[in-house]
Amino acid sequence: EVQVVESGGGLVQPGGSLRLSCAVSGFTFSNYEMTWVRQTPGKGLEGIAYISSSGNNINYADSVRGRFTVSRDNAKNSLYLQMHDLRGEDTAVYFCARTNFRKIEPYMDVWGQGTTVTVSS
Amino acid sequence: DIQMTQSPSSLSASVGDRVSITCRASQNIDTYLNWYQQKPGKAPNLLIFAASNLHGGVPSRFSGSGSGTDFTLIISSLQPDDYATYYCQQTYSLPSTFGPGTKVDIK
Repeated sequence: EVQVVESGGGLVQPGGSLRLSCAVSGFTFSNYEMTWVRQTPGKGLEGIAYISSSGNNINYADSVRGRFTVSRDNAKNSLYLQMHDLRGEDTAVYFCARTNFRKIEPYMDVWGQGTTVTVSS
Repeated sequence: DIQMTQSPSSLSASVGDRVSITCRASQNIDTYLNWYQQKPGKAPNLLIFAASNLHGGVPSRFSGSGSGTDFTLIISSLQPDDYATYYCQQTYSLPSTFGPGTKVDIK
């Protein structure tokens, strides 16, 4: 069964750090790009970080650039999101999503259940 | 940044109704446009990719069209399982942006 499972969410104080993980199974992880997407009640869905299959091509949303780092370990079938300098507006459910392509158009076809990050003192 | 808008923000419809949701991009995104369905407490579920391609396992009552800046999702005959929130997403510029969503509820 194709599956992605996020973990690592929790309560963190403003200015703190947290590392999210995404474990995948049921497909050849090293063949796929991946994307982190978050969802808040106020701002809706937001793509925040994209990483190519090799890890050589990475894109961030302006809202997290310089504070968040996406990485992957293809040998461990795992995706990561290291978050620093967390702010209240980073409070969200964080999803990892497999990124597939129709010719050159990307789409997210497999999603995890999400992990909740709460930034509060 | 590419901004996405959707209309309407919500609608009420009956089983069997034809439902149309529109999505507009702030710039030309060709066919880099996807549609998702989301139910409360769940992850988004892919319906349509590259503007008009039906994802595997998705019922044929769902269809998508458009290119450039204007796109449409059609549900030809609304079913009880279709009451949900629908989002468009552009992937012309990664890591992508989403529309604000259209909530479809029971009339």
